[in-house]
Amino acid sequence: KNEVEQSPQNLTAQEGEFITINCSYSVGISALHWLQQHPGGGIVSLFMLSSGKKKHGRLIATINIQEKHSSLHITASHPRDSAVYICAVNTGTASKLTFGTGTRLQVTL
Amino acid sequence: NAGVMQNPRHLVRRRGQEARLRCSPMKGHSHVYWYRQLPEEGLKFMVYLQKENIIDESGMPKERFSAEFPKEGPSILRIQQVVRGDSAAYFCASSPPDSPVYNEQFFGPGTRLTVL
Repeated sequence: KNEVEQSPQNLTAQEGEFITINCSYSVGISALHWLQQHPGGGIVSLFMLSSGKKKHGRLIATINIQEKHSSLHITASHPRDSAVYICAVNTGTASKLTFGTGTRLQVTL
Repeated sequence: NAGVMQNPRHLVRRRGQEARLRCSPMKGHSHVYWYRQLPEEGLKFMVYLQKENIIDESGMPKERFSAEFPKEGPSILRIQQVVRGDSAAYFCASSPPDSPVYNEQFFGPGTRLTVL
């Protein structure tokens, strides 16, 4: 079993829909990251969380430390949101990241 | 302020050759991480370096792979005697010098290595 699990693996949505991507982890963490990997392969850091909730534009990330669970929400989705979304954690005091396998999102018109 | 730079972006090698991948961190960043993404797989940690020091190499294959981050110049990931299974995207990330555990990591565009 992976230390970081994401669901769903694949997600198709229509433009305008509200999207939720989930991440569960089985180890103690110091921080959780949400990353976006574009079809061209580049990786962008969206959020880093250690508690609570963060919002940036149409993106919202939440984390529940007790339940070892985080969610990434996209409001009013748009085709340009199509990408792979990756959850990653710093386990314990480690600087390195441990990654989930990613959620491939396709937003259609 | 330029982001993390990696070169080359694409590298083709024949089996048995050497591959050298370069990473220049963001200005002011002194922590460098190398990650590998095999085809259709997730990202995996390889090595974490600070200037002139390897801090954590727990993800590096035991043979043929080495990494350095010299006092001057970019970080280098070196793969000797490449095999087809080394074909992957190699990403470098950097973070600033205070507590790396709580700092965002900034990723480079990656180097796509193809071994023929």
